[in-house]
Amino acid sequence: DQQVKQNSPSLSVQEGRISILNCDYTNSMFDYFLWYKKYPAEGPTFLISISSIKDKNEDGRFTVFLNKSAKHLSLHIVPSQPGDSAVYFCAANLDRGSTLGRLYFGRGTQLTVWP
Amino acid sequence: DAGITQSPRHKVTETGTPVTLRCHQTENHRYMYWYRQDPGHGLRLIHYSYGVKDTDKGEVSDGYSVSRSKTEDFLLTLESATSSQTSVYFCAISSGTNYGYTFGSGTRLTVV
Repeated sequence: DQQVKQNSPSLSVQEGRISILNCDYTNSMFDYFLWYKKYPAEGPTFLISISSIKDKNEDGRFTVFLNKSAKHLSLHIVPSQPGDSAVYFCAANLDRGSTLGRLYFGRGTQLTVWP
Repeated sequence: DAGITQSPRHKVTETGTPVTLRCHQTENHRYMYWYRQDPGHGLRLIHYSYGVKDTDKGEVSDGYSVSRSKTEDFLLTLESATSSQTSVYFCAISSGTNYGYTFGSGTRLTVV
């Protein structure tokens, strides 16, 4: 059963507006969460992360929010740009205290930013 | 870039033939992973390695084997390719210190 879920396979947003990508997880032992972005014919690239001891992390136009009680995190992109059009994967780390860093991924959300 | 390369980038093979995909890194990272990406399934872990000759199974390991005889190389073998193994395969590396992966560019494998 999928422990990291991205229930929206696609999202379409106008340029300049906010994009909000959502992710839910089921395993309360996850201690670190990451977002990856993937363009066609390329590998995923790291975007932003958040530790389970925080509820917000910001990096430029990208902010990740974590609600542990709801087992929910979201990625906000403000303002959205056409170059942000990509598949976004949510991922979570399970190996607490381990350096293995094994990640569990959601199925991804295709973001399309139109002019 | 991060010093991870996958070969080949594209391959078409026939059902029943063995296939080996190669992942090569120049970062001296301890951890290496093989994922497959399929529509509707996202990224699923096939096998991973935590050191030379140390490997373990992921969630979709049936029909695959791996080997790691050197730190820099992690090989994925499809012992007898099937059409269900048509996919895009990604290798990833990690130092284990920052919880993040660096991915290769992927290998698109088609089994006909």
